Amino acid sequence: NAGVMQNPRHLVRRRGQEARLRCSPMKGHSHVYWYRQLPEEGLKFMVYLQKENIIDESGMPKERFSAEFPKEGPSILRIQQVVRGDSAAYFCASSPPGLAGVGEQFFGPGTRLTVL
Amino acid sequence: AQKVTQAQTEISVVEKEDVTLDCVYETRDTTYYLFWYKQPPSGELVFLIRRNSFDEQNEISGRYSWNFQKSTSSFNFTITASQVVDSAVYFCAPLPPGAQKLVFGQGTRLTINP
Repeated sequence: NAGVMQNPRHLVRRRGQEARLRCSPMKGHSHVYWYRQLPEEGLKFMVYLQKENIIDESGMPKERFSAEFPKEGPSILRIQQVVRGDSAAYFCASSPPGLAGVGEQFFGPGTRLTVL
Repeated sequence: AQKVTQAQTEISVVEKEDVTLDCVYETRDTTYYLFWYKQPPSGELVFLIRRNSFDEQNEISGRYSWNFQKSTSSFNFTITASQVVDSAVYFCAPLPPGAQKLVFGQGTRLTINP
């Protein structure tokens, strides 16, 4: 059973470009979470999604950031008009239905975004 | 709101020494879960343990042990006979019931020197 997959693992963008980060949860998992880790800091929650629904986006910046988890396909974290401060590692985690909040979240390897 | 304090920013010890990583949390919830994750230099996050606040028994897994003290809101992690491969950043994270977001501490960077 493959783990949580994220791609790309490394992404370089110039200021003003768009970044798209993809996350495929573990098989059978219907809950997806995105976290951001700035250099030398802990992970900060961004958004929690279930299939076709955003459940909690309290950690998402108000502008330029959006997330989706369509019925088919991976979850996408999209950052428009990137700025240098967006440079960070973005982690996706998933958990199975019924265990969200009580089971551990399974983390992907992360996408390291560098904005030039 | 949950808050986590990992007061030790960096720890450096010599291989085979025992080392304890502190974690103190704040919560108004009576029930919750506590997690420890390890982030080695390669960057991925590795799950280590989940503890239910109802269960105050200490837990041992090989060279790892956890001391949960609900009265002092602490969930400390001890590595016995440390090895170079234990070098990593370690994060403590509480999870209130029904909540979906892990609240990570700042992490403790542990370096084990040969």
